[in-house]
Amino acid sequence: AQSVAQPEDQVNVAEGNPLTVKCTYSVSGNPYLFWYVQYPNRGLQFLLKYITGDNLVKGSYGFEAEFNKSQTSFHLKKPSALVSDSALYFCAVRDYNLDSNYQLIWGAGTKLIIKP
Amino acid sequence: DTEVTQTPKHLVMGMTNKKSLKCEQHMGHRAMYWYKQKAKKPPELMFVYSYEKLSINESVPSRFSPECPNSSLLNLHLHALQPEDSALYLCASSDHVGEQFFGPGTRLTVL
Repeated sequence: AQSVAQPEDQVNVAEGNPLTVKCTYSVSGNPYLFWYVQYPNRGLQFLLKYITGDNLVKGSYGFEAEFNKSQTSFHLKKPSALVSDSALYFCAVRDYNLDSNYQLIWGAGTKLIIKP
Repeated sequence: DTEVTQTPKHLVMGMTNKKSLKCEQHMGHRAMYWYKQKAKKPPELMFVYSYEKLSINESVPSRFSPECPNSSLLNLHLHALQPEDSALYLCASSDHVGEQFFGPGTRLTVL
């Protein structure tokens, strides 16, 4: 069965330090992987995606993610955290080979808190 | 234009009311979605329209009725809702392989 795991409910980082938000996945075929961010009382904003190609993907607001096929991971990273990065982050996967009618499998979400 | 718009932003309704949520996109996407999201939880898929036809109905109660009048518009008709239906309702659109673009959502409160 397809699944996405975000092992940390909350991640705390000091401003200026690097941050990592973890995501691992399980799919039967080739994965399409996505990261979204949600600020309080707002919709979800797309950050970045991996479909094929370079394993290091760069996205919005200075975020990047590394696709690791052997570890089935797609961790979100940023070299220097900002207080404004504090939000709820979701990892999602779509199975490229599955006739899923474009459904996404969502992780439970990780609350990122950046402290000044 | 990479925007998905939703109206209204907030909606308070009684359990006997009938109301509708509206969603619009002009990105030429042929897939559109309705999600329900509770606080601090991932979005739960309700309906998917592909080429204006309902392709997925995730066992949603009949008090929620989707409608896709054309390729740019998506409605969600609400009738006889329950207090537990209070949530953020999100609309999204996508092409057939890429990311989904979300609207800002409608915050629904059922009294």
